[in-house]
Amino acid sequence: EAGVTQSPTHLIKTRGQQATLRCSPISGHTSVYWYQQALGLGLQFLLWYDEGEERNRGNFPPRFSGRQFPNYSSELNVNALELEDSALYLCASSAPSGGSTDTQYFGPGTRLTVL
Amino acid sequence: AQSVSQHNHHVILSEAASLELGCNYSYGGTVNLFWYVQYPGQHLQLLLKYFSGDPLVKGIKGFEAEFIKSKFSFNLRKPSVQWSDTAEYFCAVKRRELTGGGNKLTFGTGTQLKVEL
Repeated sequence: EAGVTQSPTHLIKTRGQQATLRCSPISGHTSVYWYQQALGLGLQFLLWYDEGEERNRGNFPPRFSGRQFPNYSSELNVNALELEDSALYLCASSAPSGGSTDTQYFGPGTRLTVL
Repeated sequence: AQSVSQHNHHVILSEAASLELGCNYSYGGTVNLFWYVQYPGQHLQLLLKYFSGDPLVKGIKGFEAEFIKSKFSFNLRKPSVQWSDTAEYFCAVKRRELTGGGNKLTFGTGTQLKVEL
């Protein structure tokens, strides 16, 4: 069974540009989560999508946005890039379980570097 | 806001030594608890999880963790570590509300374990 996949592996952008990161969940999983792993800040929750809807977002500015497609894959968009957006962006997915016992499985991440 | 604390940031052990990594969380309600591991050059992998029932849970590669509700703790243990256990270990907590605000994992800052031969 294929795991969570993310593309691209690495992304280099300059300040002010926009970045688009993509995630494909494990087959059968309907929820997708995005996390930021920045140096010194640990893993922080960004966004949660389920059945095409944004269900929850973390403490990040609105220039971090995304969407989930009908096939449950997801895109994370970061507008007006700032130097501090440089981080590893992790995507996770979970199966529909009513929420009480779901487990998140992580992809390899996209390393975003903002110059 | 809930928080997760991992008090050991760097741990160095010799092979065959016993391991215990601490994890404490601040939320007073019902939680699901997880330990994830990130081996060098690999992605975050699930080591073990606790939802309910027996507070002592066993995971992959000989790891186990004990949930002590009164101490808000979920410590990770392994009786005898191997060189291949060198990795970064993350404790994570999820509140079990079924509506609103739920489903996100709150992670600790991680513990870097180095096992020397």
